[in-house]
Amino acid sequence: AQSVTQPDIHITVSEGASLELRCNYSYGATPYLFWYVQSPGQGLQLLLKYFSGDTLVQGIKGFEAEFKRSQSSFNLRKPSVHWSDAAEYFCAVGAGDYKLSFGAGTTVTVRA
Amino acid sequence: DTGVSQDPRHKITKRGQNVTFRCDPISEHNRLYWYRQTLGQGPEFLTYFQNEAQLEKSRLLSDRFSAERPKGSFSTLEIQRTEQGDSAMYLCASSPESAVNQPQHFGDGTRLSIL
Repeated sequence: AQSVTQPDIHITVSEGASLELRCNYSYGATPYLFWYVQSPGQGLQLLLKYFSGDTLVQGIKGFEAEFKRSQSSFNLRKPSVHWSDAAEYFCAVGAGDYKLSFGAGTTVTVRA
Repeated sequence: DTGVSQDPRHKITKRGQNVTFRCDPISEHNRLYWYRQTLGQGPEFLTYFQNEAQLEKSRLLSDRFSAERPKGSFSTLEIQRTEQGDSAMYLCASSPESAVNQPQHFGDGTRLSIL
């Protein structure tokens, strides 16, 4: 069965600084990888996805993620964070079937 | 694309009561999923439908839980004899049939609080 680990429970970053959120997955074959963002009391919004091809994927809101098979990682990055990026971020893996397995999430706080 | 709609947004009930939640998926999506999210955790898969057929249920879905999608459109999730541990956010998602290449789109969830 697939699983996801997000090592950082909480990250605080200054507005304008860069952000990197870590994600490690466990799955025997080629995974389908996603990053979602969740604001308080809201559902999940898809930021980006990786299925195949170019290992650097671009998403919405200026986010990008890089798939590294050798490290079983799919880290999310943003060069310059905005106060509106404060939220909870979830990495998820799909095994080519129907259900997603999510990490426990990383809460991002943005300080002025 | 009007998005996935869930109703109600919040439900507060006493332990032992029955509750029912509704999910309206994106209209052209024939796959529908239910997840449960507890505080500080990521969503956990509960069950999914392709059209009206319920194709898998997680072990998290005890006998007190039942989900239906009678006409392949909206879905309901019912919890009978609610317990304190049922307090959570219940998320619905939908996707087109070819889910491998299409991500799941989530609603805003129903937050259930058991008194």
